[in-house]
Amino acid sequence: DSGVTQTPKHLITATGQRVTLRCSPRSGDLSVYWYQQSLDQGLQFLIQYYNGEERAKGNILERFSAQQFPDLHSELNLSSLELGDSALYFCASSPDGQYYGYTFGSGTRLTVV
Amino acid sequence: GENVEQHPSTLSVQEGDSAVIKCTYSDSASNYFPWYKQELGKRPQLIIDIRSNVGEKKDQRIAVTLNKTAKHFSLHITETQPEDSAVYFCAAPLLEGDNYGQNFVFGPGTRLSVLP
Repeated sequence: DSGVTQTPKHLITATGQRVTLRCSPRSGDLSVYWYQQSLDQGLQFLIQYYNGEERAKGNILERFSAQQFPDLHSELNLSSLELGDSALYFCASSPDGQYYGYTFGSGTRLTVV
Repeated sequence: GENVEQHPSTLSVQEGDSAVIKCTYSDSASNYFPWYKQELGKRPQLIIDIRSNVGEKKDQRIAVTLNKTAKHFSLHITETQPEDSAVYFCAAPLLEGDNYGQNFVFGPGTRLSVLP
């Protein structure tokens, strides 16, 4: 157990639907990062939150949005789902400051049918 | 911004041989370089990292070397075992704005296969 909790582990949904992925960071970590990993692909950065505020944005589609709540858990909302959105979605957290790598959660595997 | 290249994209070695994966980065101010291992269907895990004030760091069978002048760093795995088979990602920090050093750019990954 890495300390970063992601739910659900698996999600199967139809095109056009909306889903919410949830992430709880490691205790004490203020930053939460969301990554998308399609089959046999690398890690595509979507968005970062720090202590409730959006801090950095990557290649996140307009159909996707995220937020971080006062208890520091984060949710990634994916709407108007397309077949190409099928992927592993990872959440990661890190402590404040430099010289810290990420701790990743176990991911949510999203399948859009 | 930072740009990270990683080579090779795939690597096959015989069990017991060594494996080397190399990454180059573009920002000469980058100061911390983590490596992640991702087994099939699992989460990426930090396996070793290096700060820019040292040239080499070892942890049992894995080591990372850093050449700041040439702006590249490498992962070395000795006496490879089948359980080393995975995708390995290198990363370098983005040194800009409020996020200075906390956000990373990942390399595209190297798929290592250790053949028994």
